[in-house]
Amino acid sequence: SYVLTQPPSVSVAPGQTARITCGGNNIGTKSVHWYQQKPGQAPVLVVYDDSDRPSGIPERVSGSNSGNTATLTISRVEAGDEADYYCQVWDSSTDHQVFGGGTKLTVL
Amino acid sequence: QLQLQESGPGLVKPSGTLSLTCAVSGDSISSSDWWTWVRQPPGKGLEWIGEISHSGSTNYNPSLRSRVTMSVDKSKNQFSLRLTSVTAADTAVYYCARMHPLDLKPSYYFDSWGQGTLVTVSS
Repeated sequence: SYVLTQPPSVSVAPGQTARITCGGNNIGTKSVHWYQQKPGQAPVLVVYDDSDRPSGIPERVSGSNSGNTATLTISRVEAGDEADYYCQVWDSSTDHQVFGGGTKLTVL
Repeated sequence: QLQLQESGPGLVKPSGTLSLTCAVSGDSISSSDWWTWVRQPPGKGLEWIGEISHSGSTNYNPSLRSRVTMSVDKSKNQFSLRLTSVTAADTAVYYCARMHPLDLKPSYYFDSWGQGTLVTVSS
């Protein structure tokens, strides 16, 4: 089965740029979606199809995907960005959805 | 605005059956091709349980396939999850969500989620 690997945690100071990676075999050939989850809340879609943003998501949130790594980038990080972030893809070989293990973003 | 609401018992005995329903409001369940269930054990990550189409086709996580059944009730605009032979490892917050297709690409993302419901497996 397809495996997505995320770092357990990323820390960044306010105003700096946070980069959260999602590794997978040839993930650049897949469409990657990202979710933000704050404590006690349901996940919220922040990026879909590698780099598109749903309405209401600020431009400082962006995504990229190439080779074996997809990246969620949050510029000018704010305290309100502190959350868990998950990547998700559809595995065509099994026709199943797959989530990464999640990354806890801490704003110092 | 589309809203999803999970409901069901919050406590299930070991070896029993977990049954949850996701009520869809704000749109017809037939307006979207696929609907899904995702769970999250306390302090852990998200796990995809499976998906069901508005016509009743299903696709399950192989790790749960032998114990999972999903169904849809168009007349009530809802879909359901049934998980049998539960153990403590099935204790989790269970979410239902809508799957939104990409244009021209074989992929879906989950664009609307319920608030989640905690199910505890304990005697």
